[in-house]
Amino acid sequence: DGGITQSPKYLFRKEGQNVTLSCEQNLNHDAMYWYRQDPGQGLRLIYYSQIVNDFQKGDIAEGYSVSREKKESFPLTVTSAQKNPTAFYLCASSILAGDPTDTQYFGPGTRLTVL
Amino acid sequence: QKEVEQNSGPLSVPEGAIASLNCTYSDRGSQSFFWYRQYSGKSPELIMSIYSNGDKEDGRFTAQLNKASQYVSLLIRDSQPSDSATYLCAVRRGSTLGRLYFGRGTQLTVWP
Repeated sequence: DGGITQSPKYLFRKEGQNVTLSCEQNLNHDAMYWYRQDPGQGLRLIYYSQIVNDFQKGDIAEGYSVSREKKESFPLTVTSAQKNPTAFYLCASSILAGDPTDTQYFGPGTRLTVL
Repeated sequence: QKEVEQNSGPLSVPEGAIASLNCTYSDRGSQSFFWYRQYSGKSPELIMSIYSNGDKEDGRFTAQLNKASQYVSLLIRDSQPSDSATYLCAVRRGSTLGRLYFGRGTQLTVWP
């Protein structure tokens, strides 16, 4: 099956811990994105990558880090510097960044809760 | 001014009615416009995209774009209870490769 997978589905973290959220796609998409969604809010962009070994900060990158060592994978690390990490995290990918018809498709999401 | 604004909800319509969802955007150079549907606890799924002025129809859904007014809307005809969800408007600006700007969403409830 082609698609975007995120793991784990639910994640609990103690304060002060770093955690890494996984995002994998087998769609051969060039671009990948990480968003955060808080209750009643839209999606806010954390980081995005258009090519392997390159990524750009989005609007709320502080307290997060990413890597793009493989085209298929774009893991997100939530560090202890992120003050309010409890949220729904969504990974997306698209085939051709920069084309007006370029469409983002989303994975199922990871719900992170800080205890 | 926010990049993308949607009409505040929640919106409640009876089954069989037309639901109208509205979205305005701030960047006049925006090129691409998307409507996503998000069920509670789930991830967004694409339902419509539109790139040029006018209407685009797909089944019970019609997207309308007016670039002069910087306005995009989604009409859902013959609304069904299964249409009850949050609808997110997303816009791609002309100057930003790849990334989308999302509105906060409008929660729609279709009651039987």
